Order: sequence, then C-alpha cells, then structure tokens
Amino acid sequence: GENVEQHPSTLSVQEGDSAVIKCTYSDSASNYFPWYKQELGKGPQLIIDIRSNVGEKKDQRIAVTLNKTAKHFSLHITETQPEDSAVYFCAALIQGAQKLVFGQGTRLTINP
Amino acid sequence: KAGVTQTPRYLIKTRGQQVTLSCSPISGHRSVSWYQQTPGQGLQFLFEYFSETQRNKGNFPGRFSGRQFSNSRSEMNVSTLELGDSALYLCASSSGGQNIQYFGAGTRLSVL
Repeated sequence: GENVEQHPSTLSVQEGDSAVIKCTYSDSASNYFPWYKQELGKGPQLIIDIRSNVGEKKDQRIAVTLNKTAKHFSLHITETQPEDSAVYFCAALIQGAQKLVFGQGTRLTINP
Repeated sequence: KAGVTQTPRYLIKTRGQQVTLSCSPISGHRSVSWYQQTPGQGLQFLFEYFSETQRNKGNFPGRFSGRQFSNSRSEMNVSTLELGDSALYLCASSSGGQNIQYFGAGTRLSVL
C-alpha cells in the first residue's frame, strides 16, 4: 500500500550544526517529493521539493537528495538556526491521484 | 497574491452535530485538497476537487463530504460528529496535475 516512513521522530541539534531527516516511500510510482515545515498554530509550509528525474536539489541551507532505487529521500539542513525549530514532514505524491502521503513528522529542536 | 484562506480558524461542536468548513484557494488554482491532521494519525488525505468534480477520495467514512464551487472555493462537511473527529483540518490548493500544494492555516475542530 501507500506508505511513507520518516525518521527520526525527534531531533535535537546545536545551533550551527547540521540536521538530517530521512524518509522511505513504498509506492514506486511516486514521482514528486515535497518537504514541509510546520510551526505551532500554522499550516504546513513547503520548504523544498524534488522530482524523480533529479537526484539532488539545494536551496541555500536546505538540500534534498533522492535515491529512486532504494526509495529513500532525505532533507539536509546546514548551519542550523533557532528559527529552524519546527515539525518537518516529508511526503510523496501518489501518481495520478494528486494525493500526498505524509510521513509522521520530525520535531526538530535547535539548541542555542 | 493572497494565500489559501480557511474559515473559521476554530470550531467547537458537540457529538452528533454537523459542521461545514470553508477553503478559498490561491487565485487561479483549480485543485483543492483536504487533509485531516491528528497527533495519532498524522496528516491524512480526505479528498481532492478539481473544477467542481471530486477526483480522488481517501479512506474516510461517508460522513465526510465536500464540494467545490465554480470559483474554486471549496467546503467540506462532517455530519454526525464523533469525538474522534477532533482534529486540524487543512486545505491545500494547487494549479492541478503534479504541482505544488500550498496549505492554509487550517481549521481546528473540537468535538465535545
């Protein structure tokens, strides 16, 4: 079935260090993988996405990598800052369904 | 450009009642998707509308329904409310196809 596994569920890093969140998807037909950041009291905000014809994408301090063979994709945040503290969700788009299947989320805490 | 607007932001209902939530998508977007977010189940897909037609539906009971108007605004309705329906209901809009979904801030529903 359609499933996205996300790890870890919580992550605490020192300010300035890097954070990595990993996801695995089950539907081999998935071809679009967004990452969302959700702050308290707000809806998910897209921070970066990647399509299956690309292996890596970077936007300033944020990067995403995709391994289609292994059905893995990861979010990398470098030089973390206190404002990076939030819950992060990975997702996979089910092809033809316009339906996002989300991971369970990672609560990231940046310690000053 | 205005983002996705959801109203109301908060609702308190009692068991057995029904509720209607509203979503105004980003101007020009014709696809509206609804998701339920709970601490236990995470983000789960409810349904998606495109040009007033429901294209996709998640695994929720028939008490959950929706519709889309000609101006792309969408409503979702939950009848015969149960305690377990307490959740954050999120709406996302997209220009359709495999494009980015932008989320609103959500409607927090509490069923007492």
